[in-house]
Amino acid sequence: ETGVTQTPRHLVMGMTNKKSLKCEQHLGHNAMYWYKQSAKKPLELMFVYSLEERVENNSVPSRFSPECPNSSHLFLHLHTLQPEDSALYLCASSQDLKTGSYEQYFGPGTRLTVT
Amino acid sequence: KNQVEQSPQSLIILEGKNCTLQCNYTVSPFSNLRWYKQDTGRGPVSLTIMTFSENTKSNGRYTATLDADTKQSSLHITASQLSDSASYICVVSVGTGFQKLVFGTGTRLLVSP
Repeated sequence: ETGVTQTPRHLVMGMTNKKSLKCEQHLGHNAMYWYKQSAKKPLELMFVYSLEERVENNSVPSRFSPECPNSSHLFLHLHTLQPEDSALYLCASSQDLKTGSYEQYFGPGTRLTVT
Repeated sequence: KNQVEQSPQSLIILEGKNCTLQCNYTVSPFSNLRWYKQDTGRGPVSLTIMTFSENTKSNGRYTATLDADTKQSSLHITASQLSDSASYICVVSVGTGFQKLVFGTGTRLLVSP
């Protein structure tokens, strides 16, 4: 295990539902990330948080709303999603944001299906 | 435009055989290059990370090479095992300060008995 956990592992939701994805890291890291992984596409960075402050929003639609209440927890709130939002959502953490040999540790992901 | 391209898209090899996966990148400024292994339904796990000055790094049966002049990297897997079946993703870190990662689409490897 990488020290990053995600719940739920699988989620099926209708387009009118509201749900939340949860990520928790047990590594004492200061930076946390949300990625989207669609079939046959590279991982897409969605949001970056450093010390609970959002530092990057990669042109993500407002139907995705992140929340970082503390440096160990990260949420992704979902509402009125579209079928094309179906994907694997990965959370990651790193010691901090600086480029270098700081590793990003990924959680197992939440497989989201929007019907 | 920062880009990472991998080849082949998919590969099938027999257990015990060796294989080499390729990665070409066009990013600026380059910081480091990583190879990740991603099992089906799981998150990526780091195999190696190399900076500009390193041209080879090993992790058990995995050996990564980096040619910063030609902007190419390879991942060589020796004596493959069934558990090596996974996607292998090349990732390049760009810039200084904020650690921005550019991901390739991965090579899907299947090791058959």
